[in-house]
Amino acid sequence: DTAVSQTPKYLVTQMGNDKSIKCEQNLGHDTMYWYKQDSKKFLKIMFSYNNKELIINETVPNRFSPKSPDKAHLNLHINSLELGDSAVYFCASSGLGDLTDTQYFGPGTRLTVL
Amino acid sequence: GQNIDQPTEMTATEGAIVQINCTYQTSGFNGLFWYQQHAGEAPTFLSYNVLDGLEEKGRFSSFLSRSKGYSYLLLKELQMKDSASYLCAVRFNNNDMRFGAGTRLTVKP
Repeated sequence: DTAVSQTPKYLVTQMGNDKSIKCEQNLGHDTMYWYKQDSKKFLKIMFSYNNKELIINETVPNRFSPKSPDKAHLNLHINSLELGDSAVYFCASSGLGDLTDTQYFGPGTRLTVL
Repeated sequence: GQNIDQPTEMTATEGAIVQINCTYQTSGFNGLFWYQQHAGEAPTFLSYNVLDGLEEKGRFSSFLSRSKGYSYLLLKELQMKDSASYLCAVRFNNNDMRFGAGTRLTVKP
């Protein structure tokens, strides 16, 4: 029944490692997003994909690479992890069938870089 | 720019009414959302305004003035479970969504 799901929920890793976070939505939405929420709780958009095509790419380091194999999935790969990457990463989706185009959020992935 | 401003923290008493304000830069405006986020959880949708006026949904109401770049979220009959962060978010014409830093509301008995 989960609408937007992310794995893993928690991720603890060392500096310099490469890691991936996966996101899936079963709402039939066309658009998916990645957000980063830092320790100050500020939610900042990173990427947005519509039907597997990148439409928003904020100023994030190119160590972050999103991949959308189909419109129900948007994964986030992070290379050479740094201490400042520690945050909660939220996936979200929205769809044309919803007049407000409301975004629905996944449960978040808490990334800790040591 | 797309600055979205809201107070950092607010405190209110159980059973009372609280109003959380949000101001934003109007260029490219295409809708305003309010989300609730409890500690350690994901944001959940509360309300949406795209036209001027008040939208009421149970104990929660949201108001928008597009010309003033201003919105507020009104919470009535406050309950302890309403203690959370409230995020104002603005969608712009390029479908870009920007969030404010959030207002942390503490409801006291």
